[in-house]
Amino acid sequence: QVTLRESGPALVKPTQTLTLTCTFSGFSLSSNGMCVNWIRQPPGKALEWLALIDWVDGKYYSPSLRTRLSISKDTSKNQVVLTMANMDPVDTGTYFCARIRRERDSGGHYSYYFDSWGQGTLVTVSS
Amino acid sequence: EIVMTQSPATLSVSPGERATLSCRASQSVGTNLAWYQQKPGQAPRLLIYGASTRATGIPARFSGRGSGTEFTLTISSLQSEDFGVYYCQQYNDWPPLTFGQGTKLEIK
Repeated sequence: QVTLRESGPALVKPTQTLTLTCTFSGFSLSSNGMCVNWIRQPPGKALEWLALIDWVDGKYYSPSLRTRLSISKDTSKNQVVLTMANMDPVDTGTYFCARIRRERDSGGHYSYYFDSWGQGTLVTVSS
Repeated sequence: EIVMTQSPATLSVSPGERATLSCRASQSVGTNLAWYQQKPGQAPRLLIYGASTRATGIPARFSGRGSGTEFTLTISSLQSEDFGVYYCQQYNDWPPLTFGQGTKLEIK
């Protein structure tokens, strides 16, 4: 059974750096095709993808947030860490981690959909 | 960046009736599209991937179709537990992976 769980501060001040940890079980991030992502959702709004780290330590970021984000993994601990610098009140929302199990479909294209999600952690940015 | 546009924003359907949700991509995504259901206070749940393949455990009343830029999610006979917000997501060209703004499905 695949599980993911987010942890981190519920409240951060503007300009501070946010650090979130995703702890997962049921798969290994060193296995071929495995990826862990961060996705966020402001209150009442849509989902926004932030970052992905894959089994060979490839790192990909949302272009609009790239300068503020850093993603890393500790395979031995089954953890992925996201840092987001210079937090602002508009960054308030629920932050999810989610797994992608990259597979090649019948057309030869790799699939990057999120098949397992954590329950999310609410982060409020306020002074 | 590929922009995903969903319509309508809100849909009210009576139990037992059919619900059809639409998703349009700003450029072709082939069949590299997924659908998710999200209920209040919960994480999204994968429903459909590859535009038309149901994820494990998803009831047969959920079906997806489309390719290129136009996609639909149909719930053939709406159940009370199907309320929530539905999102489409493209994975044809990234980063970034992009979602639509969501369709809120209300039970009439």
